[in-house]
Amino acid sequence: AQSVAQPEDQVNVAEGNPLTVKCTYSVSGNPYLFWYVQYPNRGLQFLLKYITGDNLVKGSYGFEAEFNKSQTSFHLKKPSALVSDSALYFCAVRPRSGYALNFGKGTSLLVTP
Amino acid sequence: DGGITQSPKYLFRKEGQNVTLSCEQNLNHDAMYWYRQDPGQGLRLIYYSHIVNDFQKGDIAEGYSVSREKKESFPLTVTSAQKNPTAFYLCASSSSGGNSETQYFGPGTRLLVL
Repeated sequence: AQSVAQPEDQVNVAEGNPLTVKCTYSVSGNPYLFWYVQYPNRGLQFLLKYITGDNLVKGSYGFEAEFNKSQTSFHLKKPSALVSDSALYFCAVRPRSGYALNFGKGTSLLVTP
Repeated sequence: DGGITQSPKYLFRKEGQNVTLSCEQNLNHDAMYWYRQDPGQGLRLIYYSHIVNDFQKGDIAEGYSVSREKKESFPLTVTSAQKNPTAFYLCASSSSGGNSETQYFGPGTRLLVL
């Protein structure tokens, strides 16, 4: 079965510190990988995606993600967290042969001043 | 949220009632999707459409119906057969149905049962 795991329900970081939100997946083949962010009562905003090539992907708002094929992981990172980064973050995986985005359950990021 | 609009923002459903959620996009995207979001469960695909007059069931299609008569519009009807409809419903679109294409989301509709 295909699955996406975000092992942490919540991540707490002090402002200015680096942040990491973890994602691992169990999908056959070489899937496409996405990160989205959701603010309260809002839709999802696209941050970045990995299709092929360089394992480090840069996205919106200073976020980046590192693809690791051997560990089947796609962790989201930011060198210096902002209070305004506090939100719910979703990892999503799309198999190359399918149409649906498979979402993780989400990780709530709280950045404290 | 780009050029995707969803209405209403909040919707209340009575027992045995069908309700329709609107989704419109002005991005000229071919593909459109409906997801359901429940707390702590991420998003689950209800229906998707890659072209006008064609749509496919997702993982949780039971109790829902859709139509795709126009490229810009993909309304979702929550029927009385859906016994637990309370959720946040998100519509998305992508330029094509290609698997690497990014899906962009609307602002969502929150459905509550009276």
